[in-house]
Amino acid sequence: NAGVTQTPKFRILKIGQSMTLQCAQDMNHNYMYWYRQDPGMGLKLIYYSVGAGITDKGEVPNGYNVSRSTTEDFPLRLELAAPSQTSVYFCASSPPLHFGNGTRLTVT
Amino acid sequence: GEDVEQSLFLSVREGDSSVINCTYTDSSSTYLYWYKQEPGAGLQLLTYIFSNMDMKQDQRLTVLLNKKDKHLSLRIADTQTGDSAIYFCAENASGGSYIPTFGRGTSLIVHP
Repeated sequence: NAGVTQTPKFRILKIGQSMTLQCAQDMNHNYMYWYRQDPGMGLKLIYYSVGAGITDKGEVPNGYNVSRSTTEDFPLRLELAAPSQTSVYFCASSPPLHFGNGTRLTVT
Repeated sequence: GEDVEQSLFLSVREGDSSVINCTYTDSSSTYLYWYKQEPGAGLQLLTYIFSNMDMKQDQRLTVLLNKKDKHLSLRIADTQTGDSAIYFCAENASGGSYIPTFGRGTSLIVHP
């Protein structure tokens, strides 16, 4: 019963570095999402996907990219990391909507 | 557009019942959810209800849905200090992208 698995749990990046946040689900869900949650705030949708090969922008897509080559995986790519991307990132899949445990990212 | 509203804070005594309320605007909602988030942790799916249901009970949790008023509530019986957390209400419209809309979260504080 893995559900939604995110790696890594924590990461510190220097400004300008790049990284990929991994997300995998084993529930055969078609819909997958990436959110960010800033301290004391709610969730903001970065990107979402309605199925393999299909992705679309959410509310705050700038500075991020995604791909969905399989139903199970939905990685989030950060290019040229900036301090404004310091946040906790959650991946989710649905329906019903299940979240991963999050990746805490700090950009310094 | 779609909107989900919750009160920001609720304070109760240990052993009492807690009721967290939520209103939503999207009449096409299919799934309505309650999530619990403890400090530094992720969003734990507590329970969800389909829009064709009025009530769902799961141990200490009771969800009530009033579709006419677009009102969703979560009742926690015999509230414990371990229930202290932020509770998010969310709705998931049918069809299309299934993009969920979240409330801002209700911070539940349980006093011993």
